[in-house]
Amino acid sequence: SQTIHQWPATLVQPVGSPLSLECTVEGTSNPNLYWYRQAAGRGLQLLFYSVGIGQISSEVPQNLSASRPQDRQFILSSKKLLLSDSGFYLCAWSVGGVGANVLTFGAGSRLTVL
Amino acid sequence: AQKITQTQPGMFVQEKEAVTLDCTYDTSDPSYGLFWYKQPSSGEMIFLIYQGSYDQQNATEGRYSLNFQKARKSANLVISASQLGDSAMYFCAMIFTYSGTSYGKLTFGQGTILTVHP
Repeated sequence: SQTIHQWPATLVQPVGSPLSLECTVEGTSNPNLYWYRQAAGRGLQLLFYSVGIGQISSEVPQNLSASRPQDRQFILSSKKLLLSDSGFYLCAWSVGGVGANVLTFGAGSRLTVL
Repeated sequence: AQKITQTQPGMFVQEKEAVTLDCTYDTSDPSYGLFWYKQPSSGEMIFLIYQGSYDQQNATEGRYSLNFQKARKSANLVISASQLGDSAMYFCAMIFTYSGTSYGKLTFGQGTILTVHP
């Protein structure tokens, strides 16, 4: 069966520090991968998605970046965090390709920027 | 552009009763899909139910059913026989299936917090 792992679960970082959140998927190949952010008490905003290794599409311009160095690995990064980057970050995967496939989410990473 | 609207910030229901969570959407695309997800206080997103725009019947999954009214562009979630464990945030989400660039990208509503009272 497929599983998705996301870490770290909780992170407290000072403004201006770097960020790296990692997500890996097991039990499937060539998945579509996604990074969403959820501000407190609000809905989810799509940040990045990837349909293959090295293929990253950005939905929202910001100081965050994403990379997909391996088929089932998706990394969210920042060189210098801002206060506004605080939030709950969720990685998700779906079956590869086009279509209305169910997104399966990781457990999330809660980031607090101080 | 697609838009999902959940007008109920919070809902309360008595245990064992049914509750309806509202969701309306706006699109000119003829082909799309609608999802409902549950987010408990732990933060994980749990898939509940899916309805395709061309599906003739309303989707059902156990105690969950989706009241799909295409002409009104609404996709309300009905939870029957509420349980205490149903207390959570519920999100309606939408995906376009016509465009070749959709790649499974979901657009989410703002969510509804459901509280089940004993």
